[in-house]
Amino acid sequence: QKEVEQDPGPLSVPEGAIVSLNCTYSNSAFQYFMWYRQYSRKGPELLMYTYSSGNKEDGRFTAQVDKSSKYISLFIRDSQPSDSATYLCAMRDSGTYKYIFGTGTRLKVLA
Amino acid sequence: DVKVTQSSRYLVKRTGEKVFLECVQDMDHENMFWYRQDPGLGLRLIYFSYDVKMKEKGDIPEGYSVSREKKERFSLILESASTNQTSMYLCASRLDRDGGETQYFGPGTRLLVL
Repeated sequence: QKEVEQDPGPLSVPEGAIVSLNCTYSNSAFQYFMWYRQYSRKGPELLMYTYSSGNKEDGRFTAQVDKSSKYISLFIRDSQPSDSATYLCAMRDSGTYKYIFGTGTRLKVLA
Repeated sequence: DVKVTQSSRYLVKRTGEKVFLECVQDMDHENMFWYRQDPGLGLRLIYFSYDVKMKEKGDIPEGYSVSREKKERFSLILESASTNQTSMYLCASRLDRDGGETQYFGPGTRLLVL
């Protein structure tokens, strides 16, 4: 079993839709949770970061962490064609510099 | 503006060749990472360095080595390239001091081993 599982998609939604992206993980020691966005032929860039459990909001993006279920989510409101990209979750525990990434979900927002 | 650069965007090498991938960051970051990205497997950590001359193996270090002689530069070396090392290679750096989680990635090097 992989430490981090992420549905690869692709996920196609109409412009304006609410998008929900998810990852599950098995290591209960993970404390730091991140979402990266990667456009085609580019390196990933950090979108959201959450420490431990809870919600974090930044504009149209909301990140949620449920440590009891070992489940993290990224919600995108009012999705735009410019949101079309691959979204990668990443996480680590406090005792290491080693980040574990999900395989990424490809999102396409149709105009 | 934060910048991580990688020496090549595309590289074609022959089996058995020694390959050097260079990564340079201009942010005075302590931590640097090398990942490879493959379809269906995501990003997998090859090696990371938490400071100059310090290195630790990641999940898939076999067939690779690294060098960090200066803070800004982290090199990945394929001692004898093989076809299963055909992949996208991504370098990243991270500031350790403030406890932030941002890794800044370079644009990637797409390596083809024939």
